[in-house]
Formats: sequence, structure tokens, C-alpha cells
Amino acid sequence: AAGVIQSPRHLIKEKRETATLKCYPIPRHDTVYWYQQGPGQDPQFLISFYEKMQSDKGSIPDRFSAQQFSDYHSELNMSSLELGDSALYFCASSLAATYNEQFFGPGTRLTVL
Amino acid sequence: KNQVEQSPQSLIILEGKNCTLQCNYTVSPFSNLRWYKQDTGRGPVSLTIMTFSENTKSNGRYTATLDADTKQSSLHITASQLSDSASYICVVSARDSNYQLIWGAGTKLIIKP
Repeated sequence: AAGVIQSPRHLIKEKRETATLKCYPIPRHDTVYWYQQGPGQDPQFLISFYEKMQSDKGSIPDRFSAQQFSDYHSELNMSSLELGDSALYFCASSLAATYNEQFFGPGTRLTVL
Repeated sequence: KNQVEQSPQSLIILEGKNCTLQCNYTVSPFSNLRWYKQDTGRGPVSLTIMTFSENTKSNGRYTATLDADTKQSSLHITASQLSDSASYICVVSARDSNYQLIWGAGTKLIIKP
């Protein structure tokens, strides 16, 4: 069965650069969530989208933005990167009609140097 | 392979009844186990987190148990309320250099009046 795909799996950037992470949900899933997990920390919910509209916003910095496209894939855009942005970013997808059974992607490990 | 399996996939109970959700894991080395509640389209809310030495932990009407020998955990909900309708996700943290989180697929709980 198809799973959530995230790309790239690893990304290394310099401070003040920008990065774009991509998430491809399971086919027919209409909801996408983004999370940030720092080393040894709880995952922090960033933002979610349902049917291409933002459905909830968590601790997403103003330097970050995200959107969900017509094909339901989502992109997390990160600008003016800081050392503290180094983390594992993963997304999950679900079908809202099935009460949010989430499937998580493998994550993108971002390292900011 | 590190895995977290939850059962049942979905559960429907009447308001006021109790229920128990199960989580089995094969994660090594084990660091801690968390239970999250997540409403559709929203970020997860932490209910409990337990380390190796903890057998039970309560948070209001939620009580989680952990058997590190059999690698099983349960989440018991007492006197269910309509607002308990959500997805309940079991997440296990590996005690590796990245404290990798391994997410279960969640149990969809529906409370009916």
C-alpha cells in the first residue's frame, strides 16, 4: 500500500538560507499535518491543511509558511534558517471522513550549519 | 524493525461507558511511550508519557499502563464523554542518538450519545 512520501529525506543548509520540504499524502487523503521534532524533544505540531485550506496552526514560526496544492501534496517553506531549525520534520496524512486515522511519513532531517 | 501497532483500529461506544485501547511495540532500545489525543485536522495533544520504570500514569479520566517486559501499553478511558471522540495515537521513542519517534496508526474512537 502507498505510504506518505516526504522529500528530501535529508537536507543540509546554511544559516539564513531557505528550504522547501515536500509531503505527498496517501492517495485520496485530504488532510495533511506538519510536525517538527528537535533532538530529544517532543514533536511539535506546526500546521495542518484540510482540502487545501489551513485547518489548524500550531507553533509554526513566522519565517515558515506552508500550503496544500490541488493535488493534495503539501510544501513547508522555511526562510532565514537558524541553527535551531535543525530537526526532523515529518508530515502525516489522513482522511477526515475516517476520523483522522493518521499515517506518518518517514520525515525529512534538516541540518542547519 | 521498530514498529508500533495499535488495536482496535476503530471503536464505537456509548457515552458514559469505559474503554481500553491497546498498543504493542517492538522498539529497541526503548526510551519512553506516549499517548496522544488528536481531533480531526488538529495537532496532537499529549495525554501521558511513561518511561521504562513506570507502570501506570493517570491524567484525569485517562489512565495509561505500561508493561516493558511484554512491550505492551494500554490507555483506559473512564466515563467517556462525547468530546472524547478523536484519534488516540501511541508513540514510542527509541533511545538512540536521534530519539526517533515511532508512531502507531491510532485508534479512532467514536462516542455516541
